Amino acid sequence: AQTVTQSQPEMSVQEAETVTLSCTYDTSESDYYLFWYKQPPSRQMILVIRQEAYKQQNATENRFSVNFQKAAKSFSLKISDSQLGDAAMYFCAYRRPTDKLIFGTGTRLQVFP
Amino acid sequence: DTEVTQTPKHLVMGMTNKKSLKCEQHMGHRAMYWYKQKAKKPPELMFVYSYEKLSINESVPSRFSPECPNSSLLNLHLHALQPEDSALYLCASSPSWRFNSPLHFGNGTRLTVT
Repeated sequence: AQTVTQSQPEMSVQEAETVTLSCTYDTSESDYYLFWYKQPPSRQMILVIRQEAYKQQNATENRFSVNFQKAAKSFSLKISDSQLGDAAMYFCAYRRPTDKLIFGTGTRLQVFP
Repeated sequence: DTEVTQTPKHLVMGMTNKKSLKCEQHMGHRAMYWYKQKAKKPPELMFVYSYEKLSINESVPSRFSPECPNSSLLNLHLHALQPEDSALYLCASSPSWRFNSPLHFGNGTRLTVT
């Protein structure tokens, strides 16, 4: 069975600093997608970034980037120049073809001024 | 601004009540989803509709009844709920059921069953 593990229940970072959130997953598939979603207090789940397993190049979206290590089944999220608005619950998620999205347990990120 | 609109934002209902949650999107997406999220937990999939047909039912109790009247609307009818059903109910949509199709979520309905 596919599983997604986020080993850091909580993280904190100072404004303008960089923080990395960890995610590992277990799969025997070769083709799949990985996602990071953010859920602020407004409750809406917002897609931050996604990565296709076949692409070796790490995805980047402005201040957000991933370190995708396929052999190690690791998919960490790096947030650069952290802002107060980045404070939220972050969920790593995995999806293989014709199957549902599987979420990790989440990491709560606090940002201090 | 969210492109998936859920109403109501909050709902309090008794165990004998019948109520409905509504979800609407106008992005032309053909897959729509209901998720249930308990506090400090990840969302759990309940139902998936693809092209207005129910594709997945994750063994959800029959007191939850989904309905997809058209490609833009998704309802969740509630009847005889239990207090443990209190949760945040999230609706989502995606262009298709394909695995590379990212989900767009609404702000959710916070349901309290008394």
